[in-house]
Amino acid sequence: GNSVTQMEGPVTLSEEAFLTINCTYTATGYPSLFWYVQYPGEGLQLLLKATKADDKGSNKGFEATYRKETTSFHLEKGSVQVSDSAVYFCALERDYQLIWGAGTKLIIKP
Amino acid sequence: DGGITQSPKYLFRKEGQNVTLSCEQNLNHDAMYWYRQDPGQGLRLIYYSQIVNDFQKGDIAEGYSVSREKKESFPLTVTSAQKNPTAFYLCASSRGQEIQETQYFGPGTRLLVL
Repeated sequence: GNSVTQMEGPVTLSEEAFLTINCTYTATGYPSLFWYVQYPGEGLQLLLKATKADDKGSNKGFEATYRKETTSFHLEKGSVQVSDSAVYFCALERDYQLIWGAGTKLIIKP
Repeated sequence: DGGITQSPKYLFRKEGQNVTLSCEQNLNHDAMYWYRQDPGQGLRLIYYSQIVNDFQKGDIAEGYSVSREKKESFPLTVTSAQKNPTAFYLCASSRGQEIQETQYFGPGTRLLVL
């Protein structure tokens, strides 16, 4: 079936460190892929998305590339800030619905 | 300001009681969704509606009911048949049923059982 697997958190980094949050998926065909972010006390919001293989989504310094050969959509940022502390969710599209990963909590220390 | 509002922020339910969670959007979106979020798990779809007066069950619809009488409103009722209702409930909307349309989320309602 369709599923999304994210690395377990929390992930704790120092400010200005390089970030990678792994996301792999299982799906038939080539679904659209998404990263959503949930800041403390706020609702979920779309961070970036990619709709076909080799597409790169980017926003706010974050990037993720749709890799069909490894069925992955890892989230990266070159230099994180304290304000990036949040929970990050990877998701894929199936039949006009979103299938979600469990979320990865990111903690950035000054 | 356009957006999605959910109320209340916290809701307490007694055993055997039905409770209704409110979700309102002023984004003029056609599609609306209800998700349940449990610790350590991804969001799971309860119900969704692509148009007024129409809605479909998601993956975990048992013990829940919805209505879509108005475009801007999509209330969720947690019935007494839902045996484990304690969770964080998120409402979302999107412009249309095409999944490439970004879903916009409300701030959520946390439901606790007394």
